[in-house]
Amino acid sequence: DVKVTQSSRYLVKRTGEKVFLECVQDMDHENMFWYRQDPGLGLRLIYFSYDVKMKEKGDIPEGYSVSREKKERFSLILESASTNQTSMYLCASRRQGQNIQYFGAGTRLSVL
Amino acid sequence: QKEVEQNSGPLSVPEGAIASLNCTYSDRGSQSFFWYRQYSGKSPELIMSIYSNGDKEDGRFTAQLNKASQYVSLLIRDSQPSDSATYLCAVNRADDNNDMRFGAGTRLTVKP
Repeated sequence: DVKVTQSSRYLVKRTGEKVFLECVQDMDHENMFWYRQDPGLGLRLIYFSYDVKMKEKGDIPEGYSVSREKKERFSLILESASTNQTSMYLCASRRQGQNIQYFGAGTRLSVL
Repeated sequence: QKEVEQNSGPLSVPEGAIASLNCTYSDRGSQSFFWYRQYSGKSPELIMSIYSNGDKEDGRFTAQLNKASQYVSLLIRDSQPSDSATYLCAVNRADDNNDMRFGAGTRLTVKP
């Protein structure tokens, strides 16, 4: 079974803090994704990565950055957290050339 | 207009009935279509994929695709309370394998 692990299920941070969300997959997938999920808006793509050290902006990259130093790990960074970044964050991975994405359990982030 | 539209629900059906979930998409070039199920507080899990016009059946689930009408649906026969979840429709654009678009989801409740 594909396993995508997100380091935290729940996080509470203060406005202005730097926040790291970690995601690890164990299936040697080339592609990894970060989404946020908000009621009524569905999943929106923040960033994705084709492979190690490669990254592409998604639909809503503002206020976020990412890091992919190793193939299995994809980190999402909130440089200076703001209240409008309170959301559910989902990481996903996929083998290159295939369509199916596998999701982690999600991190519910609250920024106060 | 959203790229992938779903009725947010809630859709309520009695146990044993057929649940019908609908999704429309705007990009005529889309070629891959997916249904994910998401239980409350959990990550999305893939339940069906469909790539060509017509019906695709898997157990109690049937996906239906009509590319001319830009419409994809999911039928759940003999609905069970354990089917109560949010169902996400996802669409892959033909020219960008990394660009999956998700609907906001339809919340289904199956009443015993």
